[in-house]
Amino acid sequence: SAVISQKPSRDICQRGTSLTIQCQVDSQVTMMFWYRQQPGQSLTLIATANQGSEATYESGFVIDKFPISRPNLTFSTLTVSNMSPEDSSIYLCSVSSAYTGELFFGEGSRLTVL
Amino acid sequence: ILNVEQSPQSLHVQEGDSTNFTCSFPSSNFYALHWYRWETAKSPEALFVMTLNGDEKKKGRISATLNTKEGYSYLYIKGSQPEDSATYLCAKGTNDYKLSFGAGTTVTVRA
Repeated sequence: SAVISQKPSRDICQRGTSLTIQCQVDSQVTMMFWYRQQPGQSLTLIATANQGSEATYESGFVIDKFPISRPNLTFSTLTVSNMSPEDSSIYLCSVSSAYTGELFFGEGSRLTVL
Repeated sequence: ILNVEQSPQSLHVQEGDSTNFTCSFPSSNFYALHWYRWETAKSPEALFVMTLNGDEKKKGRISATLNTKEGYSYLYIKGSQPEDSATYLCAKGTNDYKLSFGAGTTVTVRA
């Protein structure tokens, strides 16, 4: 298993500002995943953060809007840039078990954009 | 079915009653089916990862079945307790390690 610490747990942000979410894992992992859940919607994969290379973004998500850093094998950040109310969501980071494939999640960052 | 779908969206259960709900998914390019429980203010937690058609898994009072040919999975809760109140997510995995999630079924157990 993996223990994932994520912060902030929640924040209220003004339109047009940016916020960086931090994710710390208690063990070294190759890939870290960033998900978003908009109200009433499914968890949607934003990007996969790989150590030593650029993140891989899913369709509909771009680096300018969601820049990701992955400076080492235990840490990653996701920035939500130039926020609008549509960015109000829960953002989750996760890692997967190499043995079972199950995901371990942080507790999420609940962002409200006014 | 093009996406992972869960039904119902929500349900209320009397304490002690049993319940079940459904996850439907595209049967093509199937690798695994995951179930997660997400309690308020906590992290989503894996319940089951199933890979084989006909798989049945059990953890305490919770069990799940899988039909990969027709593309559905059922989650069962026997003798519901208040601590079972949560949103239950299913996700289909493909061989590129990515998961496609359903929108979840929110279960509220009334004492």
